[in-house]
Amino acid sequence: GQNIDQPTEMTATEGAIVQINCTYQTSGFNGLFWYQQHAGEAPTFLSYNVLDGLEEKGRFSSFLSRSKGYSYLLLKELQMKDSASYLCAVMDSNYQLIWGAGTKLIIKP
Amino acid sequence: IAGITQAPTSQILAAGRRMTLRCTQDMRHNAMYWYRQDLGLGLRLIHYSNTAGTTGKGEVPDGYSVSRANTDDFPLTLASAVPSQTSVYFCASSEEGSGHTGELFFGEGSRLTVL
Repeated sequence: GQNIDQPTEMTATEGAIVQINCTYQTSGFNGLFWYQQHAGEAPTFLSYNVLDGLEEKGRFSSFLSRSKGYSYLLLKELQMKDSASYLCAVMDSNYQLIWGAGTKLIIKP
Repeated sequence: IAGITQAPTSQILAAGRRMTLRCTQDMRHNAMYWYRQDLGLGLRLIHYSNTAGTTGKGEVPDGYSVSRANTDDFPLTLASAVPSQTSVYFCASSEEGSGHTGELFFGEGSRLTVL
């Protein structure tokens, strides 16, 4: 079966750096997405990786290793507003998105 | 403001009742999707439409139906609601359908409780 694994919850301190990991086992691979979802709100797009390596976008970076079935989302200079759930999703060979359950990130002052 | 509008935002209904969740987008996106989100689970695709006039089944289609009469609207109908359909429902759209690598744009969600 297809599977996306990410930690259920993480806690970090304001101003620090946090890395949220995502491992996947899917039927084929056509890209990996990260979305942010604040409590009670809709998910919003953060990043897309299809090639190995690091994609940087401001305070957020996303890394992909296709050979290891692994990605991480790196958040720098954490702010209180970064408290949210972070969803990892992989597009399989049929171009269907497989979603992880999300990682709830709690930022403490 | 361009985007996706869902209605209602919240609804409580009795088991056995029929319910339609509405979704409208003004971005002229070809593809639209309905997901449900349950605690501890990832988003699960119910139905999708790659373009007006076509629909397809997702991962959890049983008990749900959709139609896509035009580009903008994609309603989701529960013919006879059951308690296991209690969930938060998200409508989403993307510029392209199957084979797309672009981002999804989500509506604000419809919280449905079936008693």
